[in-house]
Amino acid sequence: GAVVSQHPSWVICKSGTSVKIECRSLDFQATTMFWYRQFPKQSLMLMATSNEGSKATYEQGVEKDKFLINHASLTLSTLTVTSAHPEDSSFYICSVVTGGNQPQHFGDGTRLSIL
Amino acid sequence: DAKTTQPTSMDCAEGRAANLPCNHSTISGNEYVYWYRQIHSQGPQYIIHGLKNNETNEMASLIITEDRKSSTLILPHATLRDTAVYYCIVSYAGNNRKLIWGLGTSLAVNP
Repeated sequence: GAVVSQHPSWVICKSGTSVKIECRSLDFQATTMFWYRQFPKQSLMLMATSNEGSKATYEQGVEKDKFLINHASLTLSTLTVTSAHPEDSSFYICSVVTGGNQPQHFGDGTRLSIL
Repeated sequence: DAKTTQPTSMDCAEGRAANLPCNHSTISGNEYVYWYRQIHSQGPQYIIHGLKNNETNEMASLIITEDRKSSTLILPHATLRDTAVYYCIVSYAGNNRKLIWGLGTSLAVNP
């Protein structure tokens, strides 16, 4: 399966700052990646589908201007949380799709804490 | 995508088999059953998937009933490191398929 690396694994920053999270597919050229968010004791919620070379597709209720996604290459997608506030504190996880009926492979997640 | 129903929590003794059930009574003919697990504060880890036939890999076995309305994930010899939340998800194949995550089963493996 694909090896997925996320960076950073943990970030703490002040309210109002922007935070960029990277998701890299280390051994597979991924045309599609997914971004999820997980609040404590809750399940994963899909935020958006990231497509290489085109605009991301956002789920209902997810602000595209707040959560900027860039998938400029087949091995890298980035999620930027703009003007982050405490309510944006969460566990952000990306996944890579390798095609067909093959499973998604996930990064280890980024824990974001906004003070 | 079909919904799934799993018990909220289960316990298992270390070294014994852990059998995790999943109901997916509304599954469509071409939807696959995927199992993932999530250890605390980590990303989900893929375990196994299947369509109709039973499957086995180095991690687990997947038993799918003949009518495909339910399945069981079997960890043959559970260890303390298998303590995690286990998710059963049904989904179509394809690059843009979305996975709908429930709350899964919290498995506690006890010494």
